[in-house]
Amino acid sequence: DAGVIQSPRHEVTEMGQEVTLRCKPISGHDYLFWYRQTMMRGLELLIYFNNNVPIDDSGMPEDRFSAKMPNASFSTLKIQPSEPRDSAVYFCASSSTPGGRPSYEQYFGPGTRLTVT
Amino acid sequence: DAKTTQPPSMDCAEGRAANLPCNHSTISGNEYVYWYRQIHSQGPQYIIHGLKNNETNEMASLIITEDRKSSTLILPHATLRDTAVYYCIVRPSLMDSNYQLIWGAGTKLIIKP
Repeated sequence: DAGVIQSPRHEVTEMGQEVTLRCKPISGHDYLFWYRQTMMRGLELLIYFNNNVPIDDSGMPEDRFSAKMPNASFSTLKIQPSEPRDSAVYFCASSSTPGGRPSYEQYFGPGTRLTVT
Repeated sequence: DAKTTQPPSMDCAEGRAANLPCNHSTISGNEYVYWYRQIHSQGPQYIIHGLKNNETNEMASLIITEDRKSSTLILPHATLRDTAVYYCIVRPSLMDSNYQLIWGAGTKLIIKP
């Protein structure tokens, strides 16, 4: 398996522009997570999906952030409009439910390094 | 959720065993101990988890004390590629209303040649 795939790996954009980050989870995994990592705040969960349905978006910082999962193999995280404080590394992770129970064994992608100038 | 305490940094010589401690004195009976690591410029990587028995896999061993208030992750023969930040996380076995891994600052392990 190729693992979790994220694109782009690096994104540089100007303040006010729309940014879309993409994720392909591991095939067969039914949970998908979006995280953000900064030096100041560490690793933070933004939102997670189960079977393509958003379950908890309480970590999404504000309405400028939105996430979708149109099917089991694709998810997007969109920031519109972007601001310099959104600069961070954004990770996507996926996990399965062995025996029907959620697992905290999450598999992370390589991340997207976002710089907003 | 039980809080974990880890030393901010540790050194280990290449080829030696790296022993990373974690204190979780408020852990409750249904909470598991999970270990992840994050190599520079990569996403976190799952290593191992356990409840109360010692666990071993191809990457590491996890030793949990009998009272479960602390644990040690052991990398038996550390290599330079094991240089990373290691996170100890405590989570309940069943999904609760806040399905999150609570990431602390972790331990920065540096393997020296």
